Amino acid sequence: AQTVTQSQPEMSVQEAETVTLSCTYDTSESDYYLFWYKQPPSRQMILIIRQEAYKQQNATENRFSVNFQKAAKSFSLKISDSQLGDAAMYFCAYRRTNLGNEKLTFGTGTRLTIIP
Amino acid sequence: DAGVTQSPTHLIKTRGQQVTLRCSPISGHKSVSWYQQVLGQGPQFIFQYYEKEERGRGNFPDRFSARQFPNYSSELNVNALLLGDSALYLCATQRTSGRETQYFGPGTRLLVL
Repeated sequence: AQTVTQSQPEMSVQEAETVTLSCTYDTSESDYYLFWYKQPPSRQMILIIRQEAYKQQNATENRFSVNFQKAAKSFSLKISDSQLGDAAMYFCAYRRTNLGNEKLTFGTGTRLTIIP
Repeated sequence: DAGVTQSPTHLIKTRGQQVTLRCSPISGHKSVSWYQQVLGQGPQFIFQYYEKEERGRGNFPDRFSARQFPNYSSELNVNALLLGDSALYLCATQRTSGRETQYFGPGTRLLVL
């Protein structure tokens, strides 16, 4: 079974600084997706970034970028120029491409605090 | 377009009761997935429905059931509620099956007393 591990329960960063959230996963599949979702106190799970395993280029979305290391099964999220609105729970998630369904497997999350 | 909507937003039940949660997908989305998120944890997959057929089921007891309607909305039913069923229940939809991104609704917070 696939597992996703987020080893940092909590992180904090000064406003305008850069922070990196870690995620590792375990799978025997070669084709899959990885995601980072943000969950603010409003509870809505918001997709930040998506990476397809067959693409070597790291995905970026404005201030958010990932470092995808397929051999190491690592998928970290870098947030640049941190803003107060970035404070939230961040979840890393994995999905197989050939399972026949779209089951997402989530990590336990990292709570990010932004220090003004 | 409106996003994924869920109702109700909050719900309080007592042990042994039954509950029905509802999800309306984004217009054009035919796939609906349900997740349970216990406080302090990541969401856990419960079900996925696509074109009204069950496509996947997570490791949940038979007290949990779901269905999808012709308009692609979905209901999640939980019978014989236990205290441990207290959680945030999230619905996620996508346009088709396959290489699509799932979009989440705001969730239903269920408290079982």
